[in-house]
Amino acid sequence: AQSVTQLGSHVSVSEGALVLLRCNYSSSVPPYLFWYVQYPNQGLQLLLKYTSAATLVKGINGFEAEFKKSETSFHLTKPSAHMSDAAEYFCAVSRNFGNEKLTFGTGTRLTIIP
Amino acid sequence: GAVVSQHPSRVICKSGTSVKIECRSLDFQATTMFWYRQFPKKSLMLMATSNEGSKATYEQGVEKDKFLINHASLTLSTLTVTSAHPEDSSFYICSARDQLAGAYNEQFFGPGTRLTVL
Repeated sequence: AQSVTQLGSHVSVSEGALVLLRCNYSSSVPPYLFWYVQYPNQGLQLLLKYTSAATLVKGINGFEAEFKKSETSFHLTKPSAHMSDAAEYFCAVSRNFGNEKLTFGTGTRLTIIP
Repeated sequence: GAVVSQHPSRVICKSGTSVKIECRSLDFQATTMFWYRQFPKKSLMLMATSNEGSKATYEQGVEKDKFLINHASLTLSTLTVTSAHPEDSSFYICSARDQLAGAYNEQFFGPGTRLTVL
């Protein structure tokens, strides 16, 4: 079975500060990992994905994440927070590509302080 | 990126009635679509996997007779909540995978449907 754990259901950072959202995974096989963002009353938008290529993955809107097998982590970062980054962020894992289902974490709500 | 639409975006119905939610892939073909349910301030829970031309695969604990899924074409899947009750009120989100994209399991998500059962 696969799972992801997001540490911190709420994270607040000041505008311009570093954003760090934590995600740890559990998987019996090499995982495929994803970060999604959800704005209020909207669906999910893919920020970035790890598919066993480069361990440092760059996504949209200036976000990036690093896959660390030794730590079973896939934390999401952004050097400088913007007000528009305020949203809910979900980490997800799947077993491989294909029609495999995604297993989501419980989400982290990011608040940006002006 | 690929676009997935859902209709309606919001629906309010009376208890005991049935509601149909449509999920469409607008610019790609999707042999597989997924239906999720999201409770307030909670994560997404996969309800079922919808396969074009065959029966849907339901996750454990999801009543298949209550949540009817039909995937009649490569661009349309429908979720019907039968005999809806207030506890069925939720945000329902679909996703679709572009079978030709070759992407690593990338699913494109619809904007969601807010169901309120009175």
